[in-house]
Amino acid sequence: EPEVTQTPSHQVTQMGQEVILRCVPISNHLYFYWYRQILGQKVEFLVSFYNNEISEKSEIFDDQFSVERPDGSNFTLKIRSTKLEDSAMYFCASSEDWVTETQYFGPGTRLLVL
Amino acid sequence: AQTVTQSQPEMSVQEAETVTLSCTYDTSENNYYLFWYKQPPSRQMILVIRQEAYKQQNATENRFSVNFQKAAKSFSLKISDSQLGDTAMYFCAFMKSDSNYQLIWGAGTKLIIKP
Repeated sequence: EPEVTQTPSHQVTQMGQEVILRCVPISNHLYFYWYRQILGQKVEFLVSFYNNEISEKSEIFDDQFSVERPDGSNFTLKIRSTKLEDSAMYFCASSEDWVTETQYFGPGTRLLVL
Repeated sequence: AQTVTQSQPEMSVQEAETVTLSCTYDTSENNYYLFWYKQPPSRQMILVIRQEAYKQQNATENRFSVNFQKAAKSFSLKISDSQLGDTAMYFCAFMKSDSNYQLIWGAGTKLIIKP
């Protein structure tokens, strides 16, 4: 069964450094998402992406964040200058189209900012 | 703004028992979707079951069923004949039907199935 994959599974970085989290959505899916979960808190929506542009973004998704689909398979989340409070689990998800709505999640990337 | 509340941080039951996880939500929308996701210790979030608000019939998927009470804004998950592999975090999530598919999440319930 097709799955969403994410790399790396863990990332440790120094505050102020740039990180890129990578996701490979399910191949025939058209909608892509990033969520994050700070330890002990709820999962939070960051951004949705369709047709090579952002569809919706939350207040969390400020100018330090960007998303890109650089090729036909990858979907990336970039954090330009990481802060301590960016430490979280980051989940990528994809959905087939607007009809089905169901989102399929990757295993997550645990980001630790020191 | 929509909110989702899961009032049970942790539950444990014996294998083969039935367990019900509660979820309530707050919205002024009439059309929306509700989901239960499971996150086993391996971390991948897996869809368990979904419910469209316009459907009166409760969704079922094998041992998993929901009790959807639209007026009460309640969406509980029942797991029958629980198995050790059901041990996981369970998240309730809400999505407006006219949104850009942003899921709004509850805090989760940690379910432990004891042998």
